[in-house]
Amino acid sequence: DIQMTQSPSSLSASVGDRVTITCQASQDISNHLNWYQQKPGKAPKVLIYDASNLKTGVPSRFSGSGSGTDFTFTISSLQPEDFATYYCQQYDDFPFFGGGTKVEIK
Amino acid sequence: QVQLQESGPGLVKPSQTLSLTCTVSGGSIGSGGHYWSWIRQHPGKGLEWIGYIYFSGGTYYNPSLKSRLTISVDTSNNQFSLRLSSVTAADTAFYYCASGPTWTHFDFWGQGTLVTVSS
Repeated sequence: DIQMTQSPSSLSASVGDRVTITCQASQDISNHLNWYQQKPGKAPKVLIYDASNLKTGVPSRFSGSGSGTDFTFTISSLQPEDFATYYCQQYDDFPFFGGGTKVEIK
Repeated sequence: QVQLQESGPGLVKPSQTLSLTCTVSGGSIGSGGHYWSWIRQHPGKGLEWIGYIYFSGGTYYNPSLKSRLTISVDTSNNQFSLRLSSVTAADTAFYYCASGPTWTHFDFWGQGTLVTVSS
């Protein structure tokens, strides 16, 4: 099975900060990676698919990059509504999610 | 816009079978074009993909659950279902149904339903 190591598991940031989350795969997964946002009590929402493609309607402050084993998710300027938990998800074999990163208010 | 709604018992006894149904609106399972998945989340924990089914009945299951798992589709009622046998407390989780035009990511989600395994 392909394992996903997501880091950090949590971070504190202020509105306007640039936030970066990383996901490392245990083997080469090409660009087979998505990013989700989940707010408390809600279902996840896909933001980025195929490593770097922004889903329609998602603000451009969200971006993703990477290929192979190392991936990065960035929020260029953190907004109040962005405080949430973020997950990476690979689909190179079967869908598998990273452990999540909780973005909290500093 | 596809909408999904989970239904089923919120409490299941250990060793019994967990059964959930997802009712689809705003789209037809039978018309194809979507993959219909189940995903669960243990309370306060991360996400675990359970499996998916296509309108034709083709399935793909998480290997760790495959021996206990059945996902089926009822195109006449626009529903798909999950059956997980021999449950233990470790199967206590929020269960989500989800879908998308590919199996690779999940565009549409139900609100989730908590299933507790306890005697």
